[in-house]
Amino acid sequence: NAGVTQTPKFQVLKTGQSMTLQCAQDMNHNSMYWYRQDPGMGLRLIYYSASEGTTDKGEVPNGYNVSRLNKREFSLRLESAAPSQTSVYFCASSPQLYGGNTEAFFGQGTRLTVV
Amino acid sequence: AQSVTQPDIHITVSEGASLELRCNYSYGATPYLFWYVQSPGQGLQLLLKYFSGDTLVQGIKGFEAEFKRSQSSFNLRKPSVHWSDAAEYFCAVFIYGNKLVFGAGTILRVKS
Repeated sequence: NAGVTQTPKFQVLKTGQSMTLQCAQDMNHNSMYWYRQDPGMGLRLIYYSASEGTTDKGEVPNGYNVSRLNKREFSLRLESAAPSQTSVYFCASSPQLYGGNTEAFFGQGTRLTVV
Repeated sequence: AQSVTQPDIHITVSEGASLELRCNYSYGATPYLFWYVQSPGQGLQLLLKYFSGDTLVQGIKGFEAEFKRSQSSFNLRKPSVHWSDAAEYFCAVFIYGNKLVFGAGTILRVKS
């Protein structure tokens, strides 16, 4: 089973360039998330989507946009990359946002460097 | 604001020794609690979770965690650590309505 698939795995951008990180899940989950991971700071939520057609800001949304393209796919866009966005980005999905026996499943991450 | 605190950034234990990783949360209601493990260069894998019921939860790889409401804690334990347990461990809290909040992580080193 593929689970949560992120592309690309690695990317180097120049300051000011734009790019889109792709995420797809094949578990028929309702909720999807984008996190960034920085040393000593754990994972911080950038945006999330409780269900198809909805998106909401997390803790650190500035400089990012998202699109919930359909139930399977949730993309993260950097419109004008900055060195402060150098990080490892994780996509995750869960059956629902909250309630019941839910848990989040994570992709393998995208290591992004902005120079 | 809701938060998750992992007081120990790094912990080193000898192989075969016991392990306890601490996690405290700040949240008004009973939270849904998780421990995840991340091996170098990998994604996150769920070790165990607590939703309700028995406060001692068993997980994969021989790990367990105990929910203590009075202390707002959810500490992770393992009786005997193996070298393959070296990784970074994250405590997380699922908060009603919006998100899964993570602690800063604890890096576990295992010495032989």
